[in-house]
Amino acid sequence: DIVMTQTPLSLSVTPGQPASISCKSSESLLHTDGKTYLHWYLQRPGQPPQLLIYEVSSRFSGVPDRFSGSGSGTDFTLKISRVEAEDFGVYYCMQGVRLKTFGQGTKVEIK
Amino acid sequence: EVQLVESGGDLVQPGGSLKLSCVTSGFIFSSYWMTWVRQTPGKGLEWVANLDTDGRQKDYVDSVKGRFSISRDNAKNSVFLQMNSLRADDTGLYYCVRDISFGRFDPWGQGTLVTVSS
Repeated sequence: DIVMTQTPLSLSVTPGQPASISCKSSESLLHTDGKTYLHWYLQRPGQPPQLLIYEVSSRFSGVPDRFSGSGSGTDFTLKISRVEAEDFGVYYCMQGVRLKTFGQGTKVEIK
Repeated sequence: EVQLVESGGDLVQPGGSLKLSCVTSGFIFSSYWMTWVRQTPGKGLEWVANLDTDGRQKDYVDSVKGRFSISRDNAKNSVFLQMNSLRADDTGLYYCVRDISFGRFDPWGQGTLVTVSS
């Protein structure tokens, strides 16, 4: 099974400041079709998760451009250029290359 | 508007059974893989099972293999999760999710709560 490890598990951020979350997989997420199936989700309190970034770096419909994803192989990063109030919640990375596995989640809180 | 509405969650004793349902609308249901994801107090988000478009390929997380069964009815735009031999660690909020492609999940339902306790 592919294991996904996120760091840090919690992050306190002042609104307007940047934030970065790391996600590492135990195996390469590069599929034989040439795509890398690493996705990022945000879960706000009391709501279901929502898709932010798919296939490492593609922003989903309606996601602001302050969110960006990068990485390859087994190492990935989600960056928020300037955190806004609506960005607080728990962020999850997830691999979809072989079955599906989520990371443990990173809680982003207001500092 | 694409919508997924789950139902069937309940309080059940250990060893009991439940069947979750998810009724969908707003998209061509038969064209998408469907997935169940659960959120448990101890483990965060956990992918539980998925099903291909015609219901032939079914995959499960190891912890539910042999106990849970995913199915679909394309005529009724619905996906189901039959859960047997339920255990306390199956307690959680179960989400129905449309899989656009290889784990690109959108949208998510609001979830249905399963509580396994005596």
